[in-house]
Amino acid sequence: GAVVSQHPSWVICKSGTSVKIECRSLDFQATTMFWYRQFPKQSLMLMATSNEGSKATYEQGVEKDKFLINHASLTLSTLTVTSAHPEDSSFYICSAAPLVQGDQPQHFGDGTRLSIL
Amino acid sequence: GENVEQHPSTLSVQEGDSAVIKCTYSDSASNYFPWYKQELGKRPQLIIDIRSNVGEKKDQRIAVTLNKTAKHFSLHITETQPEDSAVYFCAASMGNSGGYQKVTFGTGTKLQVIP
Repeated sequence: GAVVSQHPSWVICKSGTSVKIECRSLDFQATTMFWYRQFPKQSLMLMATSNEGSKATYEQGVEKDKFLINHASLTLSTLTVTSAHPEDSSFYICSAAPLVQGDQPQHFGDGTRLSIL
Repeated sequence: GENVEQHPSTLSVQEGDSAVIKCTYSDSASNYFPWYKQELGKRPQLIIDIRSNVGEKKDQRIAVTLNKTAKHFSLHITETQPEDSAVYFCAASMGNSGGYQKVTFGTGTKLQVIP
């Protein structure tokens, strides 16, 4: 149980392109999902908290107009990297926890490796 | 906000030896501490977790200890095997009854088990 699916797994595109990444909880509902970015040999850095039916909460230093988040249902959150540039190249990964009583561990998607040429 | 420090950044051990990774956290309100194993290019996988009302937890070759007073927690891997080689992340979070958790990760430890 508690499977999180992320798509696509790999994207290569030209500078200036907008890229959408989907994060789905396959067998549970999640009012909250999290989006992380991981540069090579570094830790996971939280970018934003995606809240179902409301605006996302962005971490300090993350441009909300650059990284658009939509959480339209209890099983789907999307991250759109708008007008991507080479410096946006990174490993993007989402996570979610089942909506149940008590603390639950986060379950991660497989991640999306984004390469901007 | 929460700050999690992790040491060492790299660790090499001989197969069969033990490995210990240590983390400290800053926010006394943190109450849930998961450990993740991440292989190259793959998702982090939860390997063990501990809640603030517990001082120690063990699962086969893996154990975690928590000292709330000192705000530090450690991962212990015994009888290490080559397949234990990976990057390990500690984390701290403040969960609530609704399952919402904002997780702060440590900087990671690259563990290499030498056959």
